[in-house]
Amino acid sequence: EAQVTQNPRYLITVTGKKLTVTCSQNMNHEYMSWYRQDPGLGLRQIYYSMNVEVTDKGDVPEGYKVSRKEKRNFPLILESPSPNQTSLYFCASSLSFRAMNTGELFFGEGSRLTVL
Amino acid sequence: AQSVTQLDSQVPVFEEAPVELRCNYSSSVSVYLFWYVQYPNQGLQLLLKYLSGSTLVKGINGFEAEFNKSQTSFHLRKPSVHISDTAEYFCAVSAAAGNKLTFGGGTRVLVKP
Repeated sequence: EAQVTQNPRYLITVTGKKLTVTCSQNMNHEYMSWYRQDPGLGLRQIYYSMNVEVTDKGDVPEGYKVSRKEKRNFPLILESPSPNQTSLYFCASSLSFRAMNTGELFFGEGSRLTVL
Repeated sequence: AQSVTQLDSQVPVFEEAPVELRCNYSSSVSVYLFWYVQYPNQGLQLLLKYLSGSTLVKGINGFEAEFNKSQTSFHLRKPSVHISDTAEYFCAVSAAAGNKLTFGGGTRVLVKP
């Protein structure tokens, strides 16, 4: 089954404790992206990757890091989480950048993160 | 730069009644427009999209949307909703020659029996 898998789905942590949210897709997609969803603000892009070893900042990259060492994986790293990073996070992938721009994005089920 | 405004944050509606979700966008260039649906505890799914051609676009589950360039709108409609349409709906825009999707703030639809 074609899917985007995120882990963990739920996490409660404390300020300053490094954490990683993993994202894996099995569709051989080139493009991958991370979003955060906050009430009334919709989805805002954190980082994206056009292909292996190619990453770039989105609209809200502060406090986050990413890497793309393999095509299927795109982990999101919070080096020192703070309470304002409490949010619902989505990973998404697309066959290509062009497919993304025509709306063909496949989303994971989300990871709800709470930072105390 | 592009932006999207969804005018209603919540829309309660009775089962079998019609619903309209409003979306306005801002962009200085040609755009592509999208509606996504997010069911509880799930990721977003593409409901429908406008790239070019007919301004009336039909999507899955009986939804349709109309692109109105003069009013910079892309409102979503369904003539008769079901309980299963309870979800959050997001309007999104991308520039035709652009590199990102911009999402609106979302509209929660609660269908009541």
